[in-house]
Amino acid sequence: DQQVKQNSPSLSVQEGRISILNCDYTNSMFDYFLWYKKYPAEGPTFLISISSIKDKNEDGRFTVFLNKSAKHLSLHIVPSQPGDSAVYFCAAGGAKGTNAGKSTFGDGTTLTVKP
Amino acid sequence: DGGITQSPKYLFRKEGQNVTLSCEQNLNHDAMYWYRQDPGQGLRLIYYSQIVNDFQKGDIAEGYSVSREKKESFPLTVTSAQKNPTAFYLCASSWGGANSNQPQHFGDGTRLSIL
Repeated sequence: DQQVKQNSPSLSVQEGRISILNCDYTNSMFDYFLWYKKYPAEGPTFLISISSIKDKNEDGRFTVFLNKSAKHLSLHIVPSQPGDSAVYFCAAGGAKGTNAGKSTFGDGTTLTVKP
Repeated sequence: DGGITQSPKYLFRKEGQNVTLSCEQNLNHDAMYWYRQDPGQGLRLIYYSQIVNDFQKGDIAEGYSVSREKKESFPLTVTSAQKNPTAFYLCASSWGGANSNQPQHFGDGTRLSIL
């Protein structure tokens, strides 16, 4: 049973427009969520995170929204740039129980930003 | 520069052989992790360690072994018991403890192939 799901394998947007990447989770014990960005043949790099006590976190062009009741989070990139083209992974973790000390990753969404 | 170094970048193994993947970090992080990534899939946790001389199995530990004798090093051995070892292996580290809210820093990975 996959606890973190990214249902869209790919997304294509025009440069300057908004990119919205979605992530759903099933485990209510998750209390911290992170987004990572990955280029081919490289390791992922941390992008932005959000705690379950918040519903929004913003860092420059990147904003993450959390809807706890729906167990859903989304990453907004505005405006999108060609250099944002990469695979984006959603990850979830918690401080208690079997989630303590580790993160569970989704399968990733490949974002392509067209010039 | 602080970071995580994985070596080698590419590794070939004959069937029936054990092979060890190296992971070294100079970030002074307590926690270290090993993930496996298959094409089109997310990162699956193999083993993780929150402190020296201690480690826990992740979701897909069968056929793998690790050691954590030094804070900086977390080598992964892919044993002959792992029936499908061809994959991209990623090592990560983070400030540790039971909290999963610390972003993980990743190496650039080792691609293992069976000859």
